[in-house]
Amino acid sequence: EIVLTQSPGTLSLSPGERATLSCRASQSVSSSYLAWYQQKPGQAPRLLIYGASSRATGIPDRFSGSGSGTDFTLTISRLEPEDFAVYYCQQYGSSSTFGGGTKVEIK
Amino acid sequence: EVQLVESGGGLVQPGRSLRLSCAASGFTFDDYAMHWVRQAPGKGLEWVSGISWNSGSIGYADSVKGRFTISRDNAKNSLYLQMNSLRAEDTALYYCAKDKNGLPQMLFDIWGQGTMVTVSS
Repeated sequence: EIVLTQSPGTLSLSPGERATLSCRASQSVSSSYLAWYQQKPGQAPRLLIYGASSRATGIPDRFSGSGSGTDFTLTISRLEPEDFAVYYCQQYGSSSTFGGGTKVEIK
Repeated sequence: EVQLVESGGGLVQPGRSLRLSCAASGFTFDDYAMHWVRQAPGKGLEWVSGISWNSGSIGYADSVKGRFTISRDNAKNSLYLQMNSLRAEDTALYYCAKDKNGLPQMLFDIWGQGTMVTVSS
C-alpha cells in the first residue's frame, strides 16, 4: 500500500498570501495519478487537481499542482476567504490511498 | 444538476447488517464507475469499494473485504452497499462518489453529502 504523508499538518496564513502544501508518497506514484481534494466543515470533499497538475472543472486558476514520482505540491497563489479548509492528497495509481490532510487556517 | 443522495445510515449493533443506497441524477449513470468512500469522525478519507459501469469490475478495501458487498442498478440510477458483520471501527460518514471514468480509476469527481453509520451496542 502506498502511504501518503502530508505536511505541514496545519498552515496558518492570511488572505492574499501564498499557500504551499506538500504530499510525499512512500513509493513512486505511477503515471502521476495524484489528486488533491478540498473539504470544508460539514461538506463533502471537492476534487481540485488530478493527474498531479490538471485542474478539475470549475476550479479557479489560483490552484495549481505539481510534482512527480514521490513528491507533489499543491499551491494556492493568493488565498481567498473561501480557501480556508482541509486539503487531502490521494494517489489512484495503485488502488487508492489518501494522505492525512493539511488544514489551512486563518492567521 | 449533478447530484448524489445517500440514504440508509443509522445506529446499528456490532455484528448486525445495514444497506446503504445512493440515488444519482443529472448525469448518465451507466457511463461511470461508482464508489463508496468513508470518513470516521474527525478523521481522514478511506476508499471502501468501487464498481465499474457494468458491474464487471468490483474492488474492496482489505478492511471490508468479505463483509461488504457493492452493487448497482443502472435502470434505477442507484448504487448500493450491503454491510454485514459490522464493527465499531466501521463507524463513519459514508460518501457515494462518482468516478471520472467508466472503469474504476478511483478518481472521484462528484460526491454526495454522506450518510452516517454508527456501530455501537
